[in-house]
Amino acid sequence: NAGVTQTPKFQVLKTGQSMTLQCAQDMNHEYMSWYRQDPGMGLRLIHYSVGAGITDQGEVPNGYNVSRSTTEDFPLRLLSAAPSQTSVYFCASSPQGQTYGYTFGSGTRLTVV
Amino acid sequence: AQSVTQPDIHITVSEGASLELRCNYSYGATPYLFWYVQSPGQGLQLLLKYFSGDTLVQGIKGFEAEFKRSQSSFNLRKPSVHWSDAAEYFCAVGYDKLIFGTGTRLQVFP
Repeated sequence: NAGVTQTPKFQVLKTGQSMTLQCAQDMNHEYMSWYRQDPGMGLRLIHYSVGAGITDQGEVPNGYNVSRSTTEDFPLRLLSAAPSQTSVYFCASSPQGQTYGYTFGSGTRLTVV
Repeated sequence: AQSVTQPDIHITVSEGASLELRCNYSYGATPYLFWYVQSPGQGLQLLLKYFSGDTLVQGIKGFEAEFKRSQSSFNLRKPSVHWSDAAEYFCAVGYDKLIFGTGTRLQVFP
């Protein structure tokens, strides 16, 4: 039981490049979310999903796309990277109803130069 | 608008002292309430949660939190802090999605 797995752990991108941050969970959780963490700003919700085929925007969705074709995977796509997207990204998952709270991945540290 | 406020950015306590971290929220109804802890360079770990019932909830590592509906608060407490408790603490609220506060960094002096 691996929990929530995020890859890569570190990434450096050039401005304008695109990439996908991977997130996979093996707990059969319905809910999954992506957050970004910046100093002094806590965790801000980018996109979330309440089940396969269902996604919705969070507080800071601009510049990011998501899809949820399976229960296990919830990739986050950066369409055209900008320095403002330099951050630590966390993926989290939860059983339906949030009764257990989120289980978080270990994060991806992204630097855009 | 839904929001979570953690008014203390940084708190310093001596080892063995008591601790209270404040959390206030704004939400349409009483949401689910959570406290998470993050050690440097790590992900977030769930400390405790409140859904309904007894307003004083117990969590891991000796932490507890009290829900006060009239004050829209969910403060985290620990009677005696250990040096290993030094970390950043986040309050979160919600149902299908969670909204997080900006965090409180706890420093513990020996």
